[in-house]
Amino acid sequence: GQSLEQPSEVTAVEGAIVQINCTYQTSGFYGLSWYQQHDGGAPTFLSYNALDGLEETGRFSSFLSRSDSYGYLLLQELQMKDSASYFCAVRDSGGATNKLIFGTGTLLAVQP
Amino acid sequence: DVKVTQSSRYLVKRTGEKVFLECVQDMDHENMFWYRQDPGLGLRLIYFSYDVKMKEKGDIPEGYSVSREKKERFSLILESASTNQTSMYLCASLGNGGPSYEQYFGPGTRLTVT
Repeated sequence: GQSLEQPSEVTAVEGAIVQINCTYQTSGFYGLSWYQQHDGGAPTFLSYNALDGLEETGRFSSFLSRSDSYGYLLLQELQMKDSASYFCAVRDSGGATNKLIFGTGTLLAVQP
Repeated sequence: DVKVTQSSRYLVKRTGEKVFLECVQDMDHENMFWYRQDPGLGLRLIYFSYDVKMKEKGDIPEGYSVSREKKERFSLILESASTNQTSMYLCASLGNGGPSYEQYFGPGTRLTVT
């Protein structure tokens, strides 16, 4: 079957660094995405890795290792507003019928 | 800015009713998706469409149907609502050809079936 695993909850303090891991098992792989969702809000796109390595966007970075079927989202200089759910998602096919398979999400709680 | 709108934020329906959830996007995107989100289960794909009048089943299509008569509008239909369809429903759109494969989500419709 197809599955993505990520921790259900992570707690960290303001100013710290936190890493949210994602391991996947899918029939195909065309890239790994990360989305943020605040309570009551819509998911918003954070990053997309199609190739191995680290992608940095401000305080957020995302890493992919295709050989290990593994990726992570790294959040630095944590702020209270980073408290949210974070979802990894695999694009499992290409062409016109592309779609995403989402993980079950990691709830990040940032404490003062 | 891309805008994806959904017809209702909150909806309460009775068991057996036919329910229509509407989604409209204003960015001329080819692809549109319907997900449901339940605690502990993440986002699960119900149906998606990659062109007008084209549709594909997602992972949990049972009890649902969709309609895409115009490029900007994608409707989700619950033929006969049941209590296990109480959930948050999210619509998303995606343009072809972008490098980042970014899906844009609507605000969601929280549906309660009593």
